Amino acid sequence: DVKVTQSSRYLVKRTGEKVFLECVQDMDHENMFWYRQDPGLGLRLIYFSYDVKMKEKGDIPEGYSVSREKKERFSLILESASTNQTSMYLCASSMSLDEQFFGPGTRLTVL
Amino acid sequence: AQKITQTQPGMFVQEKEAVTLDCTYDTSDPSYGLFWYKQPSSGEMIFLIYQGSYDQQNATEGRYSLNFQKARKSANLVISASQLGDSAMYFCITYNQGGKLIFGQGTELSVKP
Repeated sequence: DVKVTQSSRYLVKRTGEKVFLECVQDMDHENMFWYRQDPGLGLRLIYFSYDVKMKEKGDIPEGYSVSREKKERFSLILESASTNQTSMYLCASSMSLDEQFFGPGTRLTVL
Repeated sequence: AQKITQTQPGMFVQEKEAVTLDCTYDTSDPSYGLFWYKQPSSGEMIFLIYQGSYDQQNATEGRYSLNFQKARKSANLVISASQLGDSAMYFCITYNQGGKLIFGQGTELSVKP
């Protein structure tokens, strides 16, 4: 049974703080993804990774970076959090061009 | 470029009745797949059903079925015998050749007792 976990369900940070969102999957999936979800805008892809130490920009990478040092872990980094990064962040993983398994999401509020 | 359109921002259905959630897609790829995911208020995305473009039969998974009409480029989700726990946001999704998911805007389904 695939499991994707995210480090926090709810997070509150202050403007300018460095924020780490961690995602771990336990099924040896090659591909991992970070999305943000906002009302009226749906889910938008921030970054994705097809392999360890490999990353690709998604549709809205500005203000974010990622790290994939190990296959099972994909971290999203907000170098200097801003209020417009208040959102729901969803991590997902997949083996190939098929079903993506999502984590429970992290609701980030930046004050 | 691929595009998914869900024209129903919100839907209501009476418990135990069937409901159809609309999805149309636009793609030039000869081979593609379509997914439906459910997102309850808790936030997680739950996979419901998948239809491949070359599948001969419409996909079914329990109370979920996909009314796939390739010529019309539609992939509507049918939920039979609605339950209160079906109240959620529903997303129709495809992917591009690079493996990136393309999301529709979602339909919020409310099941009335």
